Amino acid sequence: GEDVEQSLFLSVREGDSSVINCTYTDSSSTYLYWYKQEPGAGLQLLTYIFSNMDMKQDQRLTVLLNKKDKHLSLRIADTQTGDSAIYFCAENNAGNMLTFGGGTRLMVKP
Amino acid sequence: GAVVSQHPSRVICKSGTSVKIECRSLDFQATTMFWYRQFPKQSLMLMATSNEGSKATYEQGVEKDKFLINHASLTLSTLTVTSAHPEDSSFYICSARDRRTNTEAFFGQGTRLTVV
Repeated sequence: GEDVEQSLFLSVREGDSSVINCTYTDSSSTYLYWYKQEPGAGLQLLTYIFSNMDMKQDQRLTVLLNKKDKHLSLRIADTQTGDSAIYFCAENNAGNMLTFGGGTRLMVKP
Repeated sequence: GAVVSQHPSRVICKSGTSVKIECRSLDFQATTMFWYRQFPKQSLMLMATSNEGSKATYEQGVEKDKFLINHASLTLSTLTVTSAHPEDSSFYICSARDRRTNTEAFFGQGTRLTVV
């Protein structure tokens, strides 16, 4: 079955880079996503990467995909206090549905 | 990005009553919408997949008679929690997939349901 795993918590200082990691098991995933959830809110799509890509960069966000190891990461450069949130990775499975990781809570200290 | 509007954002209801939650795609058409439930400090649990003009597909363990889903148009899906109980209290989130790209799934703001 599908399984997506993330570490629970990450703490960084303002201005540093944050790297949030995710592993998945479904090798047939076509797209992998990163979502941001602020307290009491829905999910905001940050970025996604097609499975035949290794890297995607969008302003402060860099997504790296190692398909061989089924490892996905999200790097946030120059992390700000407004980046404090829960970040979910998700994979798009063969049934065209999203399977989510447990979420990583990012805390940014001033 | 595309906008998905979910309403209401918060609702408190009495046990035994029914509550309807709306999910609208505002600037795109969605042939498929998804309903999720999120417990505190946990990830999202897919409840059902809603396809326009056909019956929803429910995940294992989700009672279809309790969580009624109607996807009447390409821009609207509704979830009705019938005969609500306190254990139904949760955060419900919908998402919609843009039929043009069929790639991105956009999420609503979520509805916090409290059953008293």
